[in-house]
Amino acid sequence: GENVEQHPSTLSVQEGDSAVIKCTYSDSASNYFPWYKQELGKRPQLIIDIRSNVGEKKDQRIAVTLNKTAKHFSLHITETQPEDSAVYFCAASSNTGNQFYFGTGTSLTVIP
Amino acid sequence: GAVVSQHPSWVICKSGTSVKIECRSLDFQATTMFWYRQFPKQSLMLMATSNEGSKATYEQGVEKDKFLINHASLTLSTLTVTSAHPEDSSFYICSARDPTFASNQPQHFGDGTRLSIL
Repeated sequence: GENVEQHPSTLSVQEGDSAVIKCTYSDSASNYFPWYKQELGKRPQLIIDIRSNVGEKKDQRIAVTLNKTAKHFSLHITETQPEDSAVYFCAASSNTGNQFYFGTGTSLTVIP
Repeated sequence: GAVVSQHPSWVICKSGTSVKIECRSLDFQATTMFWYRQFPKQSLMLMATSNEGSKATYEQGVEKDKFLINHASLTLSTLTVTSAHPEDSSFYICSARDPTFASNQPQHFGDGTRLSIL
Protein backbone atom coordinates (compact mmCIF):
# COMPACT_ATOMS: atom_id res chain seq x y z
CA GLY A 1 0.00 0.00 0.00
CA GLU A 2 0.88 3.66 0.00
CA ASN A 3 3.47 5.00 2.45
CA VAL A 4 3.60 8.73 3.06
CA GLU A 5 6.48 10.28 4.97
CA GLN A 6 6.45 13.85 6.24
CA HIS A 7 9.20 16.14 7.52
CA PRO A 8 9.84 17.89 9.79
CA SER A 9 7.74 16.66 12.69
CA THR A 10 8.01 20.03 14.43
CA LEU A 11 8.74 23.45 13.00
CA SER A 12 9.05 26.82 14.69
CA VAL A 13 9.28 30.03 12.70
CA GLN A 14 9.16 33.71 13.48
CA GLU A 15 6.05 35.57 12.46
CA GLY A 16 6.43 36.79 8.90
CA ASP A 17 8.91 34.10 7.90
CA SER A 18 8.14 31.24 5.54
CA ALA A 19 7.48 27.64 6.50
CA VAL A 20 8.08 24.62 4.31
CA ILE A 21 6.83 21.09 4.96
CA LYS A 22 7.85 18.19 2.76
CA CYS A 23 6.24 14.85 2.01
CA THR A 24 7.21 11.82 -0.01
CA TYR A 25 5.00 9.00 -1.22
CA SER A 26 5.68 5.52 -2.50
CA ASP A 27 2.78 4.55 -4.77
CA SER A 28 3.20 5.85 -8.31
CA ALA A 29 -0.57 5.42 -8.79
CA SER A 30 -1.25 8.23 -6.30
CA ASN A 31 -2.54 11.23 -8.18
CA TYR A 32 -4.18 13.49 -5.61
CA PHE A 33 -2.38 15.22 -2.76
CA PRO A 34 -4.34 17.28 -0.24
CA TRP A 35 -2.98 19.18 2.73
CA TYR A 36 -4.95 19.45 5.94
CA LYS A 37 -4.62 21.74 8.95
CA GLN A 38 -5.73 20.37 12.29
CA GLU A 39 -6.09 22.34 15.48
CA LEU A 40 -6.05 20.50 18.79
CA GLY A 41 -9.12 18.28 19.23
CA LYS A 42 -10.73 19.47 16.02
CA ARG A 43 -11.39 18.04 12.61
CA PRO A 44 -8.78 18.32 9.86
CA GLN A 45 -9.54 21.18 7.49
CA LEU A 46 -8.47 21.11 3.85
CA ILE A 47 -6.21 24.05 3.07
CA ILE A 48 -4.98 23.23 -0.43
CA ASP A 49 -4.71 20.27 -2.76
CA ILE A 50 -2.92 19.39 -5.97
CA ARG A 51 -3.46 16.80 -8.66
CA SER A 52 -0.75 14.98 -10.51
CA ASN A 53 -1.34 16.83 -13.77
CA VAL A 54 0.07 20.09 -12.37
CA GLY A 55 3.35 20.93 -10.72
CA GLU A 56 2.35 23.87 -8.56
CA LYS A 57 -0.73 25.49 -7.10
CA LYS A 58 -1.05 28.70 -5.15
CA ASP A 59 -3.74 30.17 -2.94
CA GLN A 60 -2.76 33.50 -1.36
CA ARG A 61 -0.05 32.74 1.22
CA ILE A 62 -0.16 28.99 0.66
CA ALA A 63 1.40 27.05 -2.19
CA VAL A 64 2.00 23.41 -2.95
CA THR A 65 4.53 21.94 -5.35
CA LEU A 66 4.60 18.42 -6.73
CA ASN A 67 7.43 16.44 -8.28
CA LYS A 68 5.92 13.26 -9.70
CA THR A 69 9.23 11.84 -10.83
CA ALA A 70 10.75 12.10 -7.39
CA LYS A 71 7.43 11.33 -5.67
CA HIS A 72 7.53 14.28 -3.36
CA PHE A 73 5.37 17.29 -2.70
CA SER A 74 5.75 20.30 -0.44
CA LEU A 75 3.65 22.88 1.35
CA HIS A 76 4.88 26.46 1.45
CA ILE A 77 3.38 29.05 3.77
CA THR A 78 4.66 32.59 3.34
CA GLU A 79 4.30 35.56 5.70
CA THR A 80 3.34 33.24 8.53
CA GLN A 81 0.98 34.46 11.23
CA PRO A 82 0.36 33.13 14.76
CA GLU A 83 -2.99 31.72 13.64
CA ASP A 84 -1.11 29.45 11.25
CA SER A 85 0.09 27.52 14.30
CA ALA A 86 -1.42 24.02 14.07
CA VAL A 87 -0.59 20.50 12.95
CA TYR A 88 -0.38 20.05 9.21
CA PHE A 89 -0.89 16.72 7.46
CA CYS A 90 -0.16 15.79 3.91
CA ALA A 91 -1.97 12.91 2.26
CA ALA A 92 -1.87 10.88 -0.92
CA SER A 93 -4.68 9.17 -2.75
CA SER A 94 -5.28 7.32 -5.97
CA ASN A 95 -8.37 6.74 -8.09
CA THR A 96 -8.50 3.17 -6.85
CA GLY A 97 -10.47 3.10 -3.61
CA ASN A 98 -10.01 6.81 -2.93
CA GLN A 99 -8.47 6.09 0.46
CA PHE A 100 -6.33 8.84 1.90
CA TYR A 101 -3.02 7.89 3.44
CA PHE A 102 -1.74 10.58 5.73
CA GLY A 103 1.76 11.67 6.58
CA THR A 104 2.90 11.75 10.19
CA GLY A 105 2.11 15.41 10.67
CA THR A 106 4.09 18.59 11.31
CA SER A 107 3.44 20.71 14.36
CA LEU A 108 3.98 24.30 13.23
CA THR A 109 4.49 27.05 15.78
CA VAL A 110 4.60 30.65 14.62
CA ILE A 111 6.29 32.82 17.21
CA PRO A 112 4.89 36.36 17.44
CA GLY B 1 -21.04 24.49 7.86
CA ALA B 2 -20.36 20.85 8.64
CA VAL B 3 -21.19 18.40 5.89
CA VAL B 4 -20.27 15.36 7.97
CA SER B 5 -21.70 14.94 11.45
CA GLN B 6 -20.17 12.58 13.98
CA HIS B 7 -21.73 11.53 17.26
CA PRO B 8 -20.98 11.34 20.11
CA SER B 9 -18.13 13.79 20.49
CA TRP B 10 -16.87 12.29 23.74
CA VAL B 11 -17.48 8.98 25.43
CA ILE B 12 -16.20 7.75 28.77
CA CYS B 13 -17.09 4.19 29.69
CA LYS B 14 -15.97 1.18 31.63
CA SER B 15 -13.74 -1.53 30.27
CA GLY B 16 -15.74 -4.28 28.55
CA THR B 17 -18.41 -1.94 27.23
CA SER B 18 -19.21 -1.75 23.51
CA VAL B 19 -19.38 1.75 22.09
CA LYS B 20 -21.10 2.83 18.88
CA ILE B 21 -20.00 5.92 16.95
CA GLU B 22 -22.14 7.37 14.17
CA CYS B 23 -21.01 9.23 11.09
CA ARG B 24 -23.58 10.98 8.92
CA SER B 25 -23.24 12.83 5.65
CA LEU B 26 -25.57 15.82 5.83
CA ASP B 27 -25.67 17.33 2.36
CA PHE B 28 -24.93 14.37 0.16
CA GLN B 29 -25.20 10.62 -0.13
CA ALA B 30 -21.93 8.94 0.66
CA THR B 31 -21.45 5.51 -0.83
CA THR B 32 -18.06 5.39 0.83
CA MET B 33 -16.97 6.61 4.23
CA PHE B 34 -13.65 6.23 5.97
CA TRP B 35 -12.78 5.61 9.61
CA TYR B 36 -9.55 6.85 11.15
CA ARG B 37 -7.92 6.55 14.52
CA GLN B 38 -5.65 9.23 15.90
CA PHE B 39 -3.47 8.98 19.00
CA PRO B 40 -2.33 12.18 20.73
CA LYS B 41 0.19 14.10 18.65
CA GLN B 42 0.14 11.43 15.98
CA SER B 43 -1.21 11.12 12.48
CA LEU B 44 -4.57 9.89 11.28
CA MET B 45 -4.37 6.16 10.72
CA LEU B 46 -6.86 4.75 8.25
CA MET B 47 -8.68 1.87 9.90
CA ALA B 48 -11.24 0.87 7.31
CA THR B 49 -13.26 1.89 4.30
CA SER B 50 -16.99 1.65 4.84
CA ASN B 51 -19.00 0.73 1.76
CA GLU B 52 -22.77 1.20 1.61
CA GLY B 53 -24.54 -2.11 1.28
CA SER B 54 -21.44 -4.26 1.48
CA LYS B 55 -18.72 -5.29 3.87
CA ALA B 56 -16.15 -2.80 5.04
CA THR B 57 -12.57 -3.06 3.84
CA TYR B 58 -10.14 -3.10 6.75
CA GLU B 59 -6.54 -1.97 6.69
CA GLN B 60 -3.86 -4.43 7.62
CA GLY B 61 -3.57 -4.91 11.36
CA VAL B 62 -7.07 -3.69 12.20
CA GLU B 63 -9.23 -6.31 13.90
CA LYS B 64 -12.52 -6.73 12.09
CA ASP B 65 -14.24 -8.33 15.05
CA LYS B 66 -13.06 -5.57 17.34
CA PHE B 67 -14.13 -2.67 15.18
CA LEU B 68 -17.47 -3.47 13.59
CA ILE B 69 -18.53 -1.21 10.75
CA ASN B 70 -22.05 -0.97 9.37
CA HIS B 71 -22.93 1.26 6.42
CA ALA B 72 -26.63 0.55 6.19
CA SER B 73 -27.69 3.68 4.34
CA LEU B 74 -26.23 6.25 2.00
CA THR B 75 -25.93 8.79 4.79
CA LEU B 76 -24.91 6.76 7.82
CA SER B 77 -21.96 4.63 8.79
CA THR B 78 -21.40 3.32 12.30
CA LEU B 79 -18.27 2.10 14.03
CA THR B 80 -18.77 -0.14 17.06
CA VAL B 81 -15.80 -0.73 19.32
CA THR B 82 -16.67 -4.06 20.89
CA SER B 83 -15.62 -4.97 24.43
CA ALA B 84 -13.53 -1.84 24.67
CA HIS B 85 -10.38 -1.81 26.79
CA PRO B 86 -8.14 1.06 27.92
CA GLU B 87 -5.83 0.53 24.93
CA ASP B 88 -8.77 1.35 22.65
CA SER B 89 -8.88 4.86 24.07
CA SER B 90 -8.22 7.21 21.19
CA PHE B 91 -9.69 9.88 18.92
CA TYR B 92 -11.82 8.28 16.21
CA ILE B 93 -12.73 10.35 13.19
CA CYS B 94 -14.73 9.60 10.08
CA SER B 95 -14.72 11.17 6.66
CA ALA B 96 -16.80 10.99 3.52
CA ARG B 97 -16.49 12.05 -0.07
CA ASP B 98 -19.32 13.47 -2.16
CA PRO B 99 -19.54 11.00 -5.08
CA THR B 100 -21.30 13.48 -7.33
CA PHE B 101 -17.93 15.07 -7.93
CA ALA B 102 -15.01 13.54 -9.72
CA SER B 103 -12.89 11.00 -7.93
CA ASN B 104 -10.32 12.17 -5.46
CA GLN B 105 -12.19 15.23 -4.36
CA PRO B 106 -11.37 16.29 -0.82
CA GLN B 107 -12.80 14.24 1.96
CA HIS B 108 -14.99 15.97 4.50
CA PHE B 109 -14.22 15.06 8.09
CA GLY B 110 -16.49 14.73 11.06
CA ASP B 111 -15.59 16.43 14.34
CA GLY B 112 -14.26 13.20 15.79
CA THR B 113 -15.10 11.16 18.85
CA ARG B 114 -12.86 11.09 21.87
CA LEU B 115 -13.16 7.64 23.43
CA SER B 116 -11.88 7.12 26.96
CA ILE B 117 -12.05 3.63 28.45
CA LEU B 118 -11.57 3.40 32.19
